[in-house]
Amino acid sequence: QVQLQESGPGLVKPSETLALTCTVSGASVRIPTYHWGWIRQPPGKGLEWIGCMYDSGTTTQNSSLKSRVTISVDTSKNQFSLRLTSVTAADTAVYYCARLSWGDSNAFDMWGQGTMVTVSS
Amino acid sequence: QSALTQPASVSGSPGQSITISCTGTSSDVGTYNLVSWYQHHPGKAPKLIIFEGSQRPSGISDRFSGSKSGNTASLTISGLRAEDEADYYCCSYAGISTWVFGGGTKLTIL
Repeated sequence: QVQLQESGPGLVKPSETLALTCTVSGASVRIPTYHWGWIRQPPGKGLEWIGCMYDSGTTTQNSSLKSRVTISVDTSKNQFSLRLTSVTAADTAVYYCARLSWGDSNAFDMWGQGTMVTVSS
Repeated sequence: QSALTQPASVSGSPGQSITISCTGTSSDVGTYNLVSWYQHHPGKAPKLIIFEGSQRPSGISDRFSGSKSGNTASLTISGLRAEDEADYYCCSYAGISTWVFGGGTKLTIL
């Protein structure tokens, strides 16, 4: 059974870097048809795609985040991570990690439970 | 990337059917047959219920169905049940390995 679990600080100061990790169990992050993504939900708002990392090493991100996003994979730990720089209160949200199953469903077929991150001094 | 447009809320009584629309553009929904729908109960992980516009993952009830016409995708839930009360989100591939979600629709069972 595939499970994803987000972890990281629940409070980040403005202008600092938000760093989250997603630990994957029951599936390998190495499998080429699986790609890995981050999605967030600000309080009272809808889901927002943050970015994805593809097996080729290519990463893409939501243009609204203005290149503040870095996504990386650690195959030795079967984890992938998100770094979001220069955060503001607008980055306060529940952050979800998800698996993008490319070639199968071509959709985000597995999700973590989400972790709340608050940006505040 | 602009969010796909969904109605903020829909409601229906048990046993009835409802349809949620998801309107995008010719750069996303209109071009790619890669619209997915997610059911989200607050506090839980979102759950994939429709992929590639109309396909159901294993284990998803056939009460859930999806379709697309032009720049608009739709999710229909038939035989409404109390447990269907949740938020529903559409998502579309938007080209160049990017994705866009809808604003979400809150389904209330009357």
